[in-house]
Amino acid sequence: ELKVEQNPLFLSMQEGKNYTIYCNYSTTSDRLYWYRQDPGKSLESLFVLLSNGAVKQEGRLMASLDTKARLSTLHITAAVHDLSATYFCAVDETNFGNEKLTFGTGTRLTIIP
Amino acid sequence: ETGVTQSPTHLIKTRGQQVTLRCSSQSGHNTVSWYQQALGQGPQFIFQYYREEENGRGNFPPRFSGLQFPNYSSELNVNALELDDSALYLCASSSGAGNTEAFFGQGTRLTVV
Repeated sequence: ELKVEQNPLFLSMQEGKNYTIYCNYSTTSDRLYWYRQDPGKSLESLFVLLSNGAVKQEGRLMASLDTKARLSTLHITAAVHDLSATYFCAVDETNFGNEKLTFGTGTRLTIIP
Repeated sequence: ETGVTQSPTHLIKTRGQQVTLRCSSQSGHNTVSWYQQALGQGPQFIFQYYREEENGRGNFPPRFSGLQFPNYSSELNVNALELDDSALYLCASSSGAGNTEAFFGQGTRLTVV
C-alpha cells in the first residue's frame, strides 16, 4: 500500500523567513503533485512534477522531486501572510498519468506577521 | 475556477439515509475521480470513472457507488449513511491522457446526523 508522509504537520513561521516542507512516499513513482487548501475550500493545484530532478517555481514557492530518494520538497522563501494554508503533496500511484492520487496528511502553515 | 462544478455545496442527512452527489467535469475531460476528505485529513481516493466505466477503486465499502454519464458528468451515491461519512467530497476531472493533472471542484460538504 502506497504511503505518503509529510512533515512537519504543523508549521508556524514568521514573515520573511524561509522554510521547507518534506514529502516522502513509499513507492516508485515519478508523478507528484502539490496542492494548497484554504479552510473550507477545495484544492488549488500548485505544482505538477513529472520526472526525477524536476524543479518548478512560482513566486515564493519552489517544488522539487527526487524519485530515487522518493522525496519531494516545497520550499517557501521570505514567507508572507497570504501563504497561510494547508499544503498537500499527492502521488499518482499508477504512474501512468491516471491521476489516482494518494495524498499526504497535509502541512498546516501559519505565517505570523 | 477549474471548470469542475459540484452540487450541492452543502448537505445534511440523517444516519441510514441515502445521498447522491453530482459532478460536472471540465470540458474535454473524460475521467472523473472522487475523493473523501474527513476533517483534518488528506483526501482519500474513493473511485475513478473513465469513459463511463469504473477504473479503479479505493478502500471504500460497496455502499459507495458511482456512475458516469455519456457527457462525462458523474454521480457519487452513498447508501446507509453513517456518522463517519461526514466529510468534504471532492471530485476531480482529467483528460486521462497521461502527463496531465486533475482539477478539483469546490466540493460538497456532507454532514450526517
